[in-house]
Amino acid sequence: EVQLVESGGGLVQPGRSLRLSCAASGFTFDDYAMHWVRQAPGKGLEWVSGITWNSGRIDYADSVKGRFTISRDNAKNSLYLQMNSLRVEDTALYYCARSIVVVPFDYWGQGTLVTVSS
Amino acid sequence: QSALTQPASVSGSPGQSITISCTETSSDVGGYKYVSWYQQHPGKVPKLIIYHVSNRPSGVSNRFSGSKFGNTASLTISGLQAEDEADYYCSSYTSSTLSRVFGGGTKLTVL
Repeated sequence: EVQLVESGGGLVQPGRSLRLSCAASGFTFDDYAMHWVRQAPGKGLEWVSGITWNSGRIDYADSVKGRFTISRDNAKNSLYLQMNSLRVEDTALYYCARSIVVVPFDYWGQGTLVTVSS
Repeated sequence: QSALTQPASVSGSPGQSITISCTETSSDVGGYKYVSWYQQHPGKVPKLIIYHVSNRPSGVSNRFSGSKFGNTASLTISGLQAEDEADYYCSSYTSSTLSRVFGGGTKLTVL
């Protein structure tokens, strides 16, 4: 069974940092690109960042570029998101999701909540 | 501002068919043939229901169908059921096959 389990969320002050993790199981992790998608309370989905299977390509939404860093460890079947210089508007439920070229986001984790507030 | 535009809401009665549109409004949206659709019930995780414009993942009801004409993709739900009431999002690639964009979402109400 495919499972994606996010962790690392919490309450943090503006300007501080947080590191999210996503533990994958039930599939061959390095066959897939991985992504972070977030959803602010009561709002729609927003793609945050993606990374190819071998970390050869990485991309970010403009809203997080320069502040967030995505990475993965295929040996540990894990995906990460280092979030620096957090802003109030980064408050959201952060999901990790897998994709393959024509089949994007076919499995999602349950999400981890990040709240940025003073 | 999203490069994929969806209506904020649609509604229909049980048994009817409804269509949700998703219009590409930015030249930065490439690979639009790779449009996908997601269903999200309140408090739940999004679920992939259509990929590559018109393909259904295993287990998704054949009441859901997708199509595309020009710069507008559409999701049609036939034989509307109460359980279809949810938010629906379209998505596509942007300038690469890695970066993605979502539409703003459409709330479907089953009357």
